[in-house]
Amino acid sequence: DGGITQSPKYLFRKEGQNVTLSCEQNLNHDAMYWYRQDPGQGLRLIYYSQIVNDFQKGDIAEGYSVSREKKESFPLTVTSAQKNPTAFYLCASSPRLEETQYFGPGTRLLVL
Amino acid sequence: AQSVTQLGSHVSVSEGALVLLRCNYSSSVPPYLFWYVQYPNQGLQLLLKYTTGATLVKGINGFEAEFKKSETSFHLTKPSAHMSDAAEYFCAVGSGGSNYKLTFGKGTLLTVNP
Repeated sequence: DGGITQSPKYLFRKEGQNVTLSCEQNLNHDAMYWYRQDPGQGLRLIYYSQIVNDFQKGDIAEGYSVSREKKESFPLTVTSAQKNPTAFYLCASSPRLEETQYFGPGTRLLVL
Repeated sequence: AQSVTQLGSHVSVSEGALVLLRCNYSSSVPPYLFWYVQYPNQGLQLLLKYTTGATLVKGINGFEAEFKKSETSFHLTKPSAHMSDAAEYFCAVGSGGSNYKLTFGKGTLLTVNP
C-alpha cells in the first residue's frame, strides 16, 4: 500500500537531548513537509523540501533541523535548543510543491 | 500574506441534523482551498479541495463546500450528521506559484449527539 509512515508513534525526550522523528513515503512525491500541532493552534509549518537535497525554513524552524538525502525520507531532528518541544508532529508529502498535501499518522513528542 | 479564520472552535449537532462549519480566508492571489478532517491521535485526511472551476465542491463522506469569492468564504456542509462525523476539521488556504505555502485554520471540533 502506498502512503506515509511516521515513527515512532510516541517519543520521549529528556532535557538537553536531541531526538529524531522519522518520515518515509512511497508515493514518489517530490515535496515533503513537517508541521507542528498544538491544542487550539492548528498546524504550523516547521520545514519543507521541494526536492532532494533542498529544504526551506517554515514559520517556526528555530530549534529544529532536517535533511533530505533521499526522495522517500525527510527526518526531523528536535534539538535541545527547542525549549517547548511537547507537541504532535505531522509529516506530509505532495507530488509537487503546489499540489495537494497528504499526511502521515503523526508522532507525539513528550518531555520527561 | 494569507490567513484562515474558522468561526467556532467547537460545534455540536444532533445526529441527522445539518452540519455547517465556517471558514473565511484572506489571500492576495487566487486561492486553493482545502478541508481536512482529523480523528483523535491520527493524521489529517483530505475531505475536499477547490483549485479552479466549479465553485461547489463535493468531497468524501457526503461533505461539500462552496467557494464564494465575494464573501471570501469556503464553508463546509453536510445535510445529515452521523455519529462517525465527530472529529476535528481544518480549513486551509494555499496559493500558487514558487512561494507556495499552505496556511491552516485553528480547527473546529465537531461533536455529534445521539
